[in-house]
Amino acid sequence: EVQLVESGGGLVQPGGSLRLSCAASGFTFSSYWMSWVRQAPGKGLEWVANIKEDGSEKYYVDSVKGRFTISRDNAKNSLFLEMNSLRAEDTAVYYCARGYKYAYYWGQGTRVTVSS
Amino acid sequence: EIVLTQSPGTLSLSPGERATLSCRASQSVSSSYLAWYQQKPGQAPRLLIYGASNRATGIPDRFSGSGSGTDFTLTINRLEPEDFAVYYCQQYGSSAWTFGQGTKVEIK
Repeated sequence: EVQLVESGGGLVQPGGSLRLSCAASGFTFSSYWMSWVRQAPGKGLEWVANIKEDGSEKYYVDSVKGRFTISRDNAKNSLFLEMNSLRAEDTAVYYCARGYKYAYYWGQGTRVTVSS
Repeated sequence: EIVLTQSPGTLSLSPGERATLSCRASQSVSSSYLAWYQQKPGQAPRLLIYGASNRATGIPDRFSGSGSGTDFTLTINRLEPEDFAVYYCQQYGSSAWTFGQGTKVEIK
């Protein structure tokens, strides 16, 4: 059974940093593109970033470029999102998702709140 | 960047009725790169349709997708109580995903 379990969310002050993790199991992690998608309170879905199977390609939505870094550790079946210079508008539930053209599997999400 | 516009914003229907949801793209989208998701309150989204018309594993056949180019449709035949939710379309292009703003299907 495919499982994606996010962790690392919490309350952080504006300008602060946070590192999200996603533990994958039930499939060959190193064979799939992975993504982060977020959802602000009461809003729709927004793709944040994705990373190729071997980590050689990474792409970001414009609003997080230069602040967020996506990475992966295929030996540990883990996906990460390093978030710096956080803003109030980054407040959201962050989902880890598997897929290249679309998200076939999703985690349950981890909540990030940016507030003073 | 391709913008996806979903309509209507809210659809009020009764169980047993048919729901027709629209997703219009600002530029042509390859059918292979168009997907639909269902999201219920407090839950992660669930993939329903990929490649515009292919049902994901375990999705009932009352859900169907169609369309090409800039106009895509999700149809839900004979709405069941568990189908009342928010639905999003999504496209892949230039190594990025974009989502529509969602259509809420609510009980009338």
